[in-house]
Amino acid sequence: DAGITQSPRHKVTETGTPVTLRCHQTENHRYMYWYRQDPGHGLRLIHYSYGVKDTDKGEVSDGYSVSRSKTEDFLLTLESATSSQTSVYFCAISDQRGSYEQYFGPGTRLTVT
Amino acid sequence: GENVEQHPSTLSVQEGDSAVIKCTYSDSASNYFPWYKQELGKRPQLIIDIRSNVGEKKDQRIAVTLNKTAKHFSLHITETQPEDSAVYFCAASTANAGGTSYGKLTFGQGTILTVHP
Repeated sequence: DAGITQSPRHKVTETGTPVTLRCHQTENHRYMYWYRQDPGHGLRLIHYSYGVKDTDKGEVSDGYSVSRSKTEDFLLTLESATSSQTSVYFCAISDQRGSYEQYFGPGTRLTVT
Repeated sequence: GENVEQHPSTLSVQEGDSAVIKCTYSDSASNYFPWYKQELGKRPQLIIDIRSNVGEKKDQRIAVTLNKTAKHFSLHITETQPEDSAVYFCAASTANAGGTSYGKLTFGQGTILTVHP
């Protein structure tokens, strides 16, 4: 597996609380992505980054924000968690040079009660 | 934006049979089509991909075909084995190194493949 980790791996939180998920890579890839996975929906892009401090919205970005202050770290924040944000969150990385493959992290299972 | 439809949602086959999963996409600018396999509780992993300048690609028991005119692509698994049981996702992207697409993938809804011994 590519050098990509996510933390925490599991989290249970209450509605209305802020939550931050971390993605860390050791591959020096330029591009990083956050997806959520829900039954019947496949993987949907939340936000992505194309460089340090360069981020943009994906198709399901409402209620989420991101930050990338270093090449290796991409943070996903739920400002005020809701039950609809209960999901499995995957981070992915890619260098988009030669290969367009995205390498996925191990995922974070988030439950909002 | 891009929309990817995947069928069937579930597929059950006997060991040794072939399995075919089909996807359609909406954006004619899409030029990169990967397939990911996800085992239960694991991360998605790329098993094969195809770019729009070729119509077919094979890797041992796995093949992908692409019809740009019809905007659909398919995954073919021959001689299926129980270890092929997993969820398979197709995806599409306007991959463009150094361009503005940033490699964003739009995924299909997934197919649960079960191979019975």
